[in-house]
Amino acid sequence: DTAVSQTPKYLVTQMGNDKSIKCEQNLGHDTMYWYKQDSKKFLKIMFSYNNKELIINETVPNRFSPKSPDKAHLNLHINSLELGDSAVYFCASSQDRGGARVNEQFFGPGTRLTVL
Amino acid sequence: DQQVKQNSPSLSVQEGRISILNCDYTNSMFDYFLWYKKYPAEGPTFLISISSIKDKNEDGRFTVFLNKSAKHLSLHIVPSQPGDSAVYFCAASDINSGYALNFGKGTSLLVTP
Repeated sequence: DTAVSQTPKYLVTQMGNDKSIKCEQNLGHDTMYWYKQDSKKFLKIMFSYNNKELIINETVPNRFSPKSPDKAHLNLHINSLELGDSAVYFCASSQDRGGARVNEQFFGPGTRLTVL
Repeated sequence: DQQVKQNSPSLSVQEGRISILNCDYTNSMFDYFLWYKKYPAEGPTFLISISSIKDKNEDGRFTVFLNKSAKHLSLHIVPSQPGDSAVYFCAASDINSGYALNFGKGTSLLVTP
């Protein structure tokens, strides 16, 4: 009964490939997020998304795109992978923005992506 | 431009004593602050939060203090336990950022028996 789950946990791939990371939450939350933790352990927001709005961090390359088939899922697609994309990617979710608990985000276990 | 800073990368405390983790921020628009705890190979876990309209919030052994004028917050853990050993991230958010969390780089806390 994991609240926020991600697959795969580890992903090793070659430069130039296209890959996806899946995220699912069973908390009934309306907003989902993707964060990147780089080699310096710095956690940085990439996207936030609910059924009304996608907010993209301007520093995120357009090779990265979130895809949400439904409210419980927010998958991350990455095209033409580069060495610098190697990092741990965390998915998170929270209540709709109008809710009082909107700031408390629940995180998945992370996906460690290694680009060779 | 890092808006949330945790200047101590690590902290070691003896079991039973107080752990104090510090965090500074630069964006005066931040209106909500959170502390997350993270174990290796796991995602961050929410610990405690505080709204900018308060200066203190307490939850069991954990207390967060906010000094808005100094743009500083701290997390106190009393008494510290070995199970508290983890990386602690300070985070801040505001409505203009769509409630995305701005994280510090974390402080690794080690509680020794």
